[in-house]
Amino acid sequence: GENVEQHPSTLSVQEGDSAVIKCTYSDSASNYFPWYKQELGKRPQLIIDIRSNVGEKKDQRIAVTLNKTAKHFSLHITETQPEDSAVYFCAAPRGPILTGGGNKLTFGTGTQLKVEL
Amino acid sequence: DTEVTQTPKHLVMGMTNKKSLKCEQHMGHRAMYWYKQKAKKPPELMFVYSYEKLSINESVPSRFSPECPNSSLLNLHLHALQPEDSALYLCASSQVGMGVGTPDGYTFGSGTRLTVV
Repeated sequence: GENVEQHPSTLSVQEGDSAVIKCTYSDSASNYFPWYKQELGKRPQLIIDIRSNVGEKKDQRIAVTLNKTAKHFSLHITETQPEDSAVYFCAAPRGPILTGGGNKLTFGTGTQLKVEL
Repeated sequence: DTEVTQTPKHLVMGMTNKKSLKCEQHMGHRAMYWYKQKAKKPPELMFVYSYEKLSINESVPSRFSPECPNSSLLNLHLHALQPEDSALYLCASSQVGMGVGTPDGYTFGSGTRLTVV
């Protein structure tokens, strides 16, 4: 099955600085890599994702990079703001996502990001 | 409608009780999931339904019994639970497989916070 490792477990940055969270995965057939943000007491929300045929994807202050050879992907948040404070989870499917069967995501252990004023 | 609705939001039950958690989505997603999340931990997959059929059971104890009555509804029937089953139970839905131009990620519900006493 898929094994997803995530680092660091906690990250504290000053407002305006950048934050980077890294994940590695084990299944070379995995083809889809989402990132979720979970605020305290709330549901995980998809913030960005990337497919394996792309090396980088950006959405305003958030970007994800993927290195298929090394089997790792990273979340980059620029110009951090206090509202970015949350737990961030990476995830990877167990094997490729194909038609049928649903998307069997395994989540990383999470990174508690704290943006300080 | 871009939401997954879960009821109830909170549930306290005794170890001899029978209760059900409910999940509903109207996004046309044909894959639905139950995840269990303990405090400060990532979501852990329990069940996957694809086209209303159970496609994955992650060796979940039989005291948890899922049901998918139609493409919009997902239930989780609970019976004879243990205190260690106390957790946040998250329902999610997604497209089945990866299509061109289709969003791939899960949409999570807000969860049911279950306490077994």
